[in-house]
Amino acid sequence: DIQMTQSPSSLSASVGDRVTISCRAGRTISGYVNWYQQKPGRAPELLLYAASTLQSGVPSRFSGSGSGTDFTLTISGLQPEDFATYYCQHSYKTPPLLSFGGGTKVEIK
Amino acid sequence: QVQLQESGPGLVKPSETLSLTCTVSGGSISSYYWSWIRQPPGKGLEWIGYIYYSGSTNYNPSLKSRVTISVDTSKNQFSLKLSSVTAADTAVYYCARQSCSSTSCPPGRPPKFDPWGQGTLVTVSS
Repeated sequence: DIQMTQSPSSLSASVGDRVTISCRAGRTISGYVNWYQQKPGRAPELLLYAASTLQSGVPSRFSGSGSGTDFTLTISGLQPEDFATYYCQHSYKTPPLLSFGGGTKVEIK
Repeated sequence: QVQLQESGPGLVKPSETLSLTCTVSGGSISSYYWSWIRQPPGKGLEWIGYIYYSGSTNYNPSLKSRVTISVDTSKNQFSLKLSSVTAADTAVYYCARQSCSSTSCPPGRPPKFDPWGQGTLVTVSS
């Protein structure tokens, strides 16, 4: 397995803050990551795919970047509805495996 | 708009087989991949496996010996069976549509999961 390590595991922030979440692969991966948002008691929802493409309907304050081993999710101007847990996700061809990062919980300061 | 709904027993005894079904509505199950993903209480997400509408499957190596995923295109459903369950299998189980397989996706673009079902909690306890 290639571990996808997210950092931090949790953070406290205020409405209006800029928040950055990191996802790091244990070795260089050939492609990109997807990002999901999960609110308590709800299923995850796709936010961005292929590192930086916004899923339809997702606000533009969410953005993603990265390649190689390091990927970043940024929320520019945190809104009350953004307090949630965020997961990165990748896949591997050999063996075929889909993998999630451990998650980053964004809490209200 | 495609919607997914999981169904099945919420309580399973240790050593028995967990069985869940995902019903797809608002669209056809054909021409897509379909996955099961689980989340133990308070923990992160774990991909279990996927099935193509044609019946080909791929499972997480850590669960492969205990997992069977099947599809019934006539009912627009796919199902999960997990055998010899223990308390460690207690989790919310989600079904999700998967955009492509690890080997069929465009280069550099991992499969994405969208949409997801609401999830169903399965507790393993005697």
